[in-house]
Amino acid sequence: GNSVTQMEGPVTLSEEAFLTINCTYTATGYPSLFWYVQYPGEGLQLLLKATKADDKGSNKGFEATYRKETTSFHLEKGSVQVSDSAVYFCALSSGSARQLTFGSGTQLTVLP
Amino acid sequence: NAGVTQTPKFQVLKTGQSMTLQCAQDMNHEYMSWYRQDPGMGLRLIHYSVGAGITDQGEVPNGYNVSRSTTEDFPLRLLSAAPSQTSVYFCASSRTESSTNEKLFFGSGTQLSVL
Repeated sequence: GNSVTQMEGPVTLSEEAFLTINCTYTATGYPSLFWYVQYPGEGLQLLLKATKADDKGSNKGFEATYRKETTSFHLEKGSVQVSDSAVYFCALSSGSARQLTFGSGTQLTVLP
Repeated sequence: NAGVTQTPKFQVLKTGQSMTLQCAQDMNHEYMSWYRQDPGMGLRLIHYSVGAGITDQGEVPNGYNVSRSTTEDFPLRLLSAAPSQTSVYFCASSRTESSTNEKLFFGSGTQLSVL
């Protein structure tokens, strides 16, 4: 079956540092890949997505590239802010929302 | 816009009690779903619905019931609460079931403790 593996957290960075959160996946076929973010006390929100190989999703300064050859979808941001402190979830789907498979989440804390 | 509204935000139950978690959306979405979130694990799908009158089981349905009598509402019922059901519960909806073309909108969650 499908699975998603994320780097273990928590991750603590200083403001303006570079962020990478690793995500690798196992899936049959050609899944769509997603990053969701959960701010404290809130539900998950879609941050970005990519639907085919070599696509780059981007939003709010975050980027992730769909790498089929390495089955990866790493999340990056060049300069993090305190407001980026949240839990980040990598996810994949083979097309239906009921098939969404989530990683275990990575807690990010950005210090001023 | 209200989006997806979940109530209550917090709940403590004793083993064996029953209760209903409420979920309502005002976006006329066809697809609605319930997830549970446990430490160190991703979200796991409990039940889902693709429209009024249509529901189906997800990955972890045991101990939970759902119904979808209207497009707006999708309540989750715990029949006889057990400590293993201590978790954070999220309701989510999207315009259609397609995950490629649509995005899921999540409620803010219900933190449930079963003693």
